[in-house]
Amino acid sequence: GAGVSQSPSNKVTEKGKDVELRCDPISGHTALYWYRQSLGQGLEFLIYFQGNSAPDKSGLPSDRFSAERTGGSVSTLTIQRTQQEDSAVYLCASSLVGSLNEQFFGPGTRLTVL
Amino acid sequence: GIQVEQSPPDLILQEGANSTLRCNFSDSVNNLQWFHQNPWGQLINLFYIPSGTKQNGRLSATTVATERYSLLYISSSQTTDSGVYFCAARGAGGGNKLTFGTGTQLKVEL
Repeated sequence: GAGVSQSPSNKVTEKGKDVELRCDPISGHTALYWYRQSLGQGLEFLIYFQGNSAPDKSGLPSDRFSAERTGGSVSTLTIQRTQQEDSAVYLCASSLVGSLNEQFFGPGTRLTVL
Repeated sequence: GIQVEQSPPDLILQEGANSTLRCNFSDSVNNLQWFHQNPWGQLINLFYIPSGTKQNGRLSATTVATERYSLLYISSSQTTDSGVYFCAARGAGGGNKLTFGTGTQLKVEL
């Protein structure tokens, strides 16, 4: 596609439920990133995938958060047993190989945990 | 890790005015980007500028890597320039993430 796409655009869930967020990177981009934007924390890094290398999970806030990237393209971010503090906009970005390259962001998924 | 600070936090301009937004960073960088976040939340890429000067229409940016700062210039501002401007940097010391500043909220009035 022309840009990074994310789905759903909005997600409302109840506390304790699991959610899955999807990201489809720009075609040809081998690096994929997840960030989140919340009022109290600003924009913060969550996880990074590059090709078949082990992902950089250093930004994941708890073990309730996980992500996978299948076939080197689409990625899914899963949040288990959601809490109200997980409410945020989850942003996906992609770049050509490696994190030195310019990152391009998707429109985000707004998650609201009631 | 690297620290990124932006100033001013808020800015109100009359249409047609010029402005300068500043981004200071605490370490050497090998990736620095400026973004405009529009009212719908989309991050729009403005510049990829780890060093040097670039121009794109009414916008230009300069990064002085040795002095650890970057500037974004907006000339002849328009109401459509309103929104939040973010600077984000990747420290040369390693890691894969962009560290974002807290942004400059710009409002351009008629």
